[in-house]
Parts: sequence; C-alpha cells; structure tokens
Amino acid sequence: QVQLVESGGGLVKPGGSLRLSCAASGFTFSDYYMSWIRQAPGKGLEWVSYISSSGSTIYYADSVKGRFTISRDNAKNSLYLQMNSLRAEDTAVYYCARVLSGYLIDYWGQGTLVTVSS
Amino acid sequence: QSALTQPASVSGSPGQSITISCTGTSSDVGSYNLVSWYQQHPGKAPKLMIYEGSKRPSGVSNRFSGSKSGNTASLTISGLQAEDEADYYCCSYAGSTPYVFGTGTKVTVL
Repeated sequence: QVQLVESGGGLVKPGGSLRLSCAASGFTFSDYYMSWIRQAPGKGLEWVSYISSSGSTIYYADSVKGRFTISRDNAKNSLYLQMNSLRAEDTAVYYCARVLSGYLIDYWGQGTLVTVSS
Repeated sequence: QSALTQPASVSGSPGQSITISCTGTSSDVGSYNLVSWYQQHPGKAPKLMIYEGSKRPSGVSNRFSGSKSGNTASLTISGLQAEDEADYYCCSYAGSTPYVFGTGTKVTVL
C-alpha cells in the first residue's frame, strides 16, 4: 500500500534552515508528481510546493517562493523540501502528498512538525 | 489566490444529512471540474473522500457525495454517523497555482 513517511522536522530559530524528507513506498515513485502541503497549528491546509515526476516542472506558493526549494531523488524514492530564512509563520505540520494524474492529491503522509521560534 | 470559502461549522444528528459548501471563483472552482474533498480527524492526515467533484475513491462510503454548480462545490454526508465528526476541506485545482484549499468546516454529530 502507499506509504509516505516524512522526517526532518523540529525546532529552529527564525532565519534558520531545515530540510524535510519524505520516503515513499508502495508505488512507482518516479511515475508520480509530488507535493508539500502544510497546516499551521489549529489552522487550515495550505499548499506549499509541487514537483513533476521528472523534476522539470516546479511550482511554489507565493508565501515560500525564494526561500523554499523542492527536489526529488527518484533512485531513492524520496522527496525533499529545503527551507531557508524560516519565519515564525512557517510553523506548521508539513505533509508530503502524492499527486495522481498531475492534479489530484490522493495520498498524504502523517506529517512532520516544524516550529520556528527563538 | 485566496482560499475557497467554507462554513466554519456544520452540525447534524445521527441519521440526518448535511451539506458543506465550498465557494471559489471563475479562476478555480468555476474553471475546472477538479474539486476534491478531504476528511481530517484530529491529529491525523487528511483522507481523500471525493474527487473530480463527485467521484468517490474505492473504500469511501456512498454516504458521501459531491456536486458543483458554477463557482460553488458541495459535499453532502447522508445518514450522518458519529465517525463522520471531523474537519472537511475542499480543494480546487487552479492551473499554475496549482491548488487552492478551502477554509475548512468542522462537522459535529450531535
């Protein structure tokens, strides 16, 4: 079955950096687009970034553009999110998600918590 | 791109039907028949319940149904059960954005 396991979250100071990872299994990772979505404590879902199966197409939400970088390693069945210049408002649970047919978010990981605080 | 508008809360008694609306614009909900709905229990990951406006993934109860009219999508839960108590989010594909989520609706089973 589809499994997505995020890691790399934690406490970081404002202005700091963090790299999230997502290990995928149960499907042919290289066939699927992937996405990161976040949820601030007690708040709704916010789409963060999206990458095509080959990595050639990438989109970012305006709120993270220029600070976050999405990437993938199809040989390792892994998705990444490099987060730089972190702000308090980036505090959230970050979910890794599979994208079906290039548009449908169909499976989500359990999430990893990122806390930005001094 | 602004978040899609959902009611903050909806409640109903067991066995009743409830409907959650999701209002967007002609740039998202109105342009694409690609609205999905997710159920999220506290502390858990979201689960896909409806896609392409009205289709159910395998394993999702037929008590869940979806529809769309113009810039507004809707999720109806029939025969409300205690396990349906959760947060529900709509999501529309929006082209180069490419996703916009709804504000979320807390469903309470009375």
